[in-house]
Amino acid sequence: EDKVVQSPLSLVVHEGDTVTLNCSYEVTNFRSLLWYKQEKKAPTFLFMLTSSGIEKKSGRLSSILDKKELFSILNITATQTGDSAVYLCAVFQGGSEKLVFGKGMKLTVNP
Amino acid sequence: DVKVTQSSRYLVKRTGEKVFLECVQDMDHENMFWYRQDPGLGLRLIYFSYDVKMKEKGDIPEGYSVSREKKERFSLILESASTNQTSMYLCASSPRRQGLGGNQPQHFGDGTRLSIL
Repeated sequence: EDKVVQSPLSLVVHEGDTVTLNCSYEVTNFRSLLWYKQEKKAPTFLFMLTSSGIEKKSGRLSSILDKKELFSILNITATQTGDSAVYLCAVFQGGSEKLVFGKGMKLTVNP
Repeated sequence: DVKVTQSSRYLVKRTGEKVFLECVQDMDHENMFWYRQDPGLGLRLIYFSYDVKMKEKGDIPEGYSVSREKKERFSLILESASTNQTSMYLCASSPRRQGLGGNQPQHFGDGTRLSIL
């Protein structure tokens, strides 16, 4: 059965800390991996990773994919209270338009 | 920017009622999806559609049906609402993958929090 596993499932940190979110996957015919951020409303797209070892970066957020070990990490440096959210990891399989989602990871950043 | 609009943010219905959740996207996307999101279970796919009048079951279609009469609109129908369908419902859309090109990210609506009493 295809699955996407995120860890940890929840994390509480203080402002200024650096956090690393993990996502591992077991899917047939992997195509790409996506990260989303969900605050109170719609999940918003962060990154899509297709190739191993190439870091994608946006401000304090960065992400990288390891297709050999079947995982991705999302790093957030110098966290702010506005980073508090649920972070979702999802995977596209080849030939499909569907995403397979992990359960999500709840990050709380305290001032 | 892609806009996916769900008709209600909060909805309260009674057991046995027929419930309609509406979703409209403004980017001419071929693909549309309905998910439900529950604590500890993440996002689970209910139904999706690749084109007008086309629908396919997702992972948890029981108790639901869908309608896609126009490209921009995808409706989720709870035929006879039950308390275990109390949940957050999310609609998403994406353009169809072209040839050998990669998939495109799905864009989500703000969700409808549905309570069945």
